[in-house]
Amino acid sequence: AQTVTQSQPEMSVQEAETVTLSCTYDTSESNYYLFWYKQPPSRQMILVIRQEAYKQQNATENRFSVNFQKAAKSFSLKISDSQLGDTAMYFCAFMKLGDMRFGAGTRLTVKP
Amino acid sequence: GAGVSQSPSNKVTEKGKDVELRCDPISGHTALYWYRQSLGQGLEFLIYFQGNSAPDKSGLPSDRFSAERTGGSVSTLTIQRTQQEDSAVYLCASSLDGAGAGTHEQYFGPGTRLTVT
Repeated sequence: AQTVTQSQPEMSVQEAETVTLSCTYDTSESNYYLFWYKQPPSRQMILVIRQEAYKQQNATENRFSVNFQKAAKSFSLKISDSQLGDTAMYFCAFMKLGDMRFGAGTRLTVKP
Repeated sequence: GAGVSQSPSNKVTEKGKDVELRCDPISGHTALYWYRQSLGQGLEFLIYFQGNSAPDKSGLPSDRFSAERTGGSVSTLTIQRTQQEDSAVYLCASSLDGAGAGTHEQYFGPGTRLTVT
């Protein structure tokens, strides 16, 4: 079974600075999808960014980008120019054929 | 368009009672998922429906938990004889195509917070 590990339970960053959240996963599959989801205090899960494993180019979505290292099974999220509204739980997720597994999450606090 | 909706948003029940949680997926989405999220924890997979295929029930924690999806749309998660450890937020998600070649993003509902007293 696939497992997803987020080794940073909590992180904080100053507004306007950059922060990187770590994620590693374990799988024997070669084709799969990876996601980062954000869950603010409202409880609503919001997709931040996705990466197809067959693509070598790292996904980017405005201030959010990933560093996908397939051989190392690593999928970190970089948030640039952090904003107060980025304060949330961030979950890394692995998906293969509809089966999605989540990490335990990283609680990010952006400080003014 | 309308997103995934869940009802009720909050449910308080007494230990031993049965509860039903409802999920309305995005129209046209063939895949539907239920997750459980305990306080401050990650998401625990419960069950997955894909079209007309038999659901993947591998995540259901006990036989007190069951789920149905009627007409390939609305889903109901039922917990019988609730226990205090069932207290959690229950999240539903849908995607356009869970296992095929289409988009794989899951769109989540706001969740139902279940409290068993």
